[in-house]
Amino acid sequence: DAGVIQSPRHEVTEMGQEVTLRCKPISGHNSLFWYRQTMMRGLELLIYFNNNVPIDDSGMPEDRFSAKMPNASFSTLKIQPSEPRDSAVYFCASSRTSGRAVTGELFFGEGSRLTVL
Amino acid sequence: GENVEQHPSTLSVQEGDSAVIKCTYSDSASNYFPWYKQELGKRPQLIIDIRSNVGEKKDQRIAVTLNKTAKHFSLHITETQPEDSAVYFCAARGAGGTSYGKLTFGQGTILTVHP
Repeated sequence: DAGVIQSPRHEVTEMGQEVTLRCKPISGHNSLFWYRQTMMRGLELLIYFNNNVPIDDSGMPEDRFSAKMPNASFSTLKIQPSEPRDSAVYFCASSRTSGRAVTGELFFGEGSRLTVL
Repeated sequence: GENVEQHPSTLSVQEGDSAVIKCTYSDSASNYFPWYKQELGKRPQLIIDIRSNVGEKKDQRIAVTLNKTAKHFSLHITETQPEDSAVYFCAARGAGGTSYGKLTFGQGTILTVHP
């Protein structure tokens, strides 16, 4: 298995531009998570999906951020308009969840390093 | 929601010494507690985990203990080696309501092992 695949690995953009980050979870995993990592705030959960349905988006900073999961093999995180304070590493992760049973290991992608000038 | 506190934020040890990192959590319904290691510029990777029906788990030089009553868990690394140098994150996974399946991370501990 190729693991969780994220793109782009690096993105440099100017303030005000739209940024779209992409993620392909591990095949067979039905939970997908978007995390943001900064030195100041550590690993923050932005949103997570279970069976393509957003379960908790309370970590999404503001309306400039949106996430979608149109099918089991693809998710996007969009920032519009971007601001310098959005600069961070954005990780996508996936795991297998089965009903109310304890879930399995969370696998992270390589991350997308975003720099907003 | 769940709140996970991790200490210390930095830890420096000599090669061969032991290292201990501690975490507390707030949601008594949390039932899964993984530890992740993140090397510089890389993704976090699972090194060991423990479920709420177990008090201790060991895997070679690393071990994790869980005290459900006190809501804290710890990572123990024995005979540390320079390649253990990394950032270590604890996490707790919720088991009820909107917290179900949600993994909340501690702030991380930067471990440095000096040769």
